[in-house]
Amino acid sequence: EAQVTQNPRYLITVTGKKLTVTCSQNMNHEYMSWYRQDPGLGLRQIYYSMNVEVTDKGDVPEGYKVSRKEKRNFPLILESPSPNQTSLYFCASSPTGGSRQPQHFGDGTRLSIL
Amino acid sequence: QKEVEQNSGPLSVPEGAIASLNCTYSDRVSQSFFWYRQYSGKSPELIMSIYSNGDKEDGRFTAQLNKASQYVSLLIRDSQPSDSATYLCAANRDDKIIFGKGTRLHILP
Repeated sequence: EAQVTQNPRYLITVTGKKLTVTCSQNMNHEYMSWYRQDPGLGLRQIYYSMNVEVTDKGDVPEGYKVSRKEKRNFPLILESPSPNQTSLYFCASSPTGGSRQPQHFGDGTRLSIL
Repeated sequence: QKEVEQNSGPLSVPEGAIASLNCTYSDRVSQSFFWYRQYSGKSPELIMSIYSNGDKEDGRFTAQLNKASQYVSLLIRDSQPSDSATYLCAANRDDKIIFGKGTRLHILP
């Protein structure tokens, strides 16, 4: 089954404790991205990757890091999480054509930073 | 002007009627547009994509793109209670993707 898998689905943690949210897709998609969704602010793109070893900032990259060492994986790293990063996070992927193609979303990760 | 703008709603439509959702965009976005449906607590799922001026139909859904007026709309015919959700309009700006804040649609039984 074609899918984008995120882990964990839920996480409650404390300020300053480094965490990683994993994202994996099995569709051989080139484009992958991370979004956060907040009430009243909608979905905002954090980082995206056009292909292996190619990453770039979205509209809200502050406080986040990503890497793309393999085509299927695109982890999101919060090195020193803060309460303002409490949000619902989505990973998504799309084939060649990137931002001009529909995004396939994972099920989401709800992060709470205390 | 925000790059992709939607009325937040809620938009209430009687069951069986046509629901009309609108989205306007700025000059900064490119010409690929998407409509996603998102149920509460779930991930967005693609309803329609549209790239050319005019209408595109898929079942009960019709997407309309008007580049001169810079708007894209989604019509849902024969609205069903299961259509109650938030509808997100999205466009690409170079290699990035910009979402509107979404319109909540409520279908009244």
